[in-house]
Amino acid sequence: GAVVSQHPSRVICKSGTSVKIECRSLDFQATTMFWYRQFPKQSLMLMATSNEGSKATYEQGVEKDKFLINHASLTLSTLTVTSAHPEDSSFYICSARRDREGYGYTFGSGTRLTVV
Amino acid sequence: GQNIDQPTEMTATEGAIVQINCTYQTSGFNGLFWYQQHAGEAPTFLSYNVLDGLEEKGRFSSFLSRSKGYSYLLLKELQMKDSASYLCAVRLLTGGGNKLTFGTGTQLKVEL
Repeated sequence: GAVVSQHPSRVICKSGTSVKIECRSLDFQATTMFWYRQFPKQSLMLMATSNEGSKATYEQGVEKDKFLINHASLTLSTLTVTSAHPEDSSFYICSARRDREGYGYTFGSGTRLTVV
Repeated sequence: GQNIDQPTEMTATEGAIVQINCTYQTSGFNGLFWYQQHAGEAPTFLSYNVLDGLEEKGRFSSFLSRSKGYSYLLLKELQMKDSASYLCAVRLLTGGGNKLTFGTGTQLKVEL
């Protein structure tokens, strides 16, 4: 149990275009999901906390107009990178927290975004 | 702000024991996690401590001292497949979100 599916696993896009990344909890309801980005050989940096039915909470320094987060249901959160630039190239990972669970966090498999 | 520190790199020998330390200075501490991450993959859960003391789980053990802001992950009987990045993460009490803040990560290399 506790599977989080993240799609796509890899995406290449042109500068100026937008890319949507999906994060789904397959066998549990996730009231809260988290979005991270990770640069090579670095740790995970939290970008935002996504709560079902409400606006996401962004970490300091993360542009909310550039990284649009939508958490429309208890099993789906999306991250849209708008007007992508090469510096947005990174590994993006989502994580879901199980509702009423003690402490469980499950991570998606990650999305490698390359902007050319 | 939140500050979570780990050594950047460590090297150990197959079959040996290695201890990876994590020190933290955070507000609203609500537990500490250890994750393993292989390059290009998602982190996988190893252990969780919320109370002081040692938690043992097979070849992996984790220790926490809340008063010292200190934790370590102990890996025994090292195998080549243990070569990976090890991430310490602190859970913070924040308006119900309980977000995880990750440390800098320790790249462990296991050699013959």
